[in-house]
Amino acid sequence: QQQVKQSPQSLIVQKGGISIINCAYENTAFDYFPWYQQFPGKGPALLIAIRPDVSEKKEGRFTISFNKSAKQFSLHIMDSQPGDSATYFCAANTSSGGGADGLTFGKGTHLIIQP
Amino acid sequence: DADVTQTPRNRITKTGKRIMLECSQTKGHDRMYWYRQDPGLGLQLIYYSFDVKDINKGEISDGYSVSRQAQAKFSLSLESAIPNQTALYFCATSGASSYNEQFFGPGTRLTVL
Repeated sequence: QQQVKQSPQSLIVQKGGISIINCAYENTAFDYFPWYQQFPGKGPALLIAIRPDVSEKKEGRFTISFNKSAKQFSLHIMDSQPGDSATYFCAANTSSGGGADGLTFGKGTHLIIQP
Repeated sequence: DADVTQTPRNRITKTGKRIMLECSQTKGHDRMYWYRQDPGLGLQLIYYSFDVKDINKGEISDGYSVSRQAQAKFSLSLESAIPNQTALYFCATSGASSYNEQFFGPGTRLTVL
């Protein structure tokens, strides 16, 4: 049973456009929702994360929108740049037990920003 | 120097061979993880360790074993490798907070022929 569903699988956006990636989760115990960015040949790296006590978090051109009732969260990349071309993973985790359990990841979105 | 290192970076082996992948970290984190990445499937948790004495199975532990030799070292073994274990393997670490940002190594690409 996949607990975090991510869409789309791949996305092509023109430079300067808005990239939107969506995730939905099933486990209501999840209370930490990070997004990871992965470049070819590299390990994933944390991009931005949100907790369910807020509906939106913005860091530079990256914004997470969170809808607790719908159990959905999304990543918006404003003014998308070719350097943003990467694979993006949403993930979820529960803080119970100290949050030490591994993250549950979505299947990833391969984003290409065309110049 | 990288905070999380993995060796080897690439490995080709044959079915039935025993393989060990190693992970070392200089971040001083207690928590360490092994993930497997397959194209189109995201990352799946194999094993995780809270500290040297505490090791836990993840969602896909069958066919794998681990050893936490020290706080800084966490090894993943494939006792008898099979072709469907061909994948990219990542080690990660995190500190002791309720919301665990995980720091990933560069990965090991394993091919089992």
